[in-house]
Amino acid sequence: GAVVSQHPSRVICKSGTSVKIECRSLDFQATTMFWYRQFPKQSLMLMATSNEGSKATYEQGVEKDKFLINHASLTLSTLTVTSAHPEDSSFYICSAREGGTYEQYFGPGTRLTVT
Amino acid sequence: AQKITQTQPGMFVQEKEAVTLDCTYDTSDPSYGLFWYKQPSSGEMIFLIYQGSYDQQNATEGRYSLNFQKARKSANLVISASQLGDSAMYFCAMREGEAAGNKLTFGGGTRVLVKP
Repeated sequence: GAVVSQHPSRVICKSGTSVKIECRSLDFQATTMFWYRQFPKQSLMLMATSNEGSKATYEQGVEKDKFLINHASLTLSTLTVTSAHPEDSSFYICSAREGGTYEQYFGPGTRLTVT
Repeated sequence: AQKITQTQPGMFVQEKEAVTLDCTYDTSDPSYGLFWYKQPSSGEMIFLIYQGSYDQQNATEGRYSLNFQKARKSANLVISASQLGDSAMYFCAMREGEAAGNKLTFGGGTRVLVKP
């Protein structure tokens, strides 16, 4: 099956710094990638959708200047949390979809802790 | 209004027994799909089963089957012969059509604990 990787799996950063999370599709070309956020004991909330080569579409309430998303190639999307604060601590999960298909393949997630 | 509703926050099931996880949905899009994912404590999302709105038969994948009742807008997951490794969070998700960007909307999840 299709494999999606995320790096890093865990990151701890200080308040005010920026953190970049990478999402890669390893064996297929991902025309669309999605970024989700999950708080403890809660469901996944879609943050944004990114299509290769175009600007990401953010969900209502998600600050685009705080959560920078880049989808520069068909196998890589990055999420940068800028000027991180403790309330940004969460589990971030990406998924990737190949063109013409419906299924989303999920990465293993990145646990971000902002101190 | 909630698009995806999972009314069971948690449930226990005896090993080797079957369990049904409820999921109801709301959409006006004639083309949609329903997914079930398993999320163990490690956090990864494991795809279990998919049902398209135009599929005539209920989807099955090994011990997983989806009881799709379109008129009732329900897509319950049935896990047969439960195993200890089935203990996890289970999420129902809906994909709406191209106009909605084929995004997934997730339900609140059901935590399943399989007892030996």
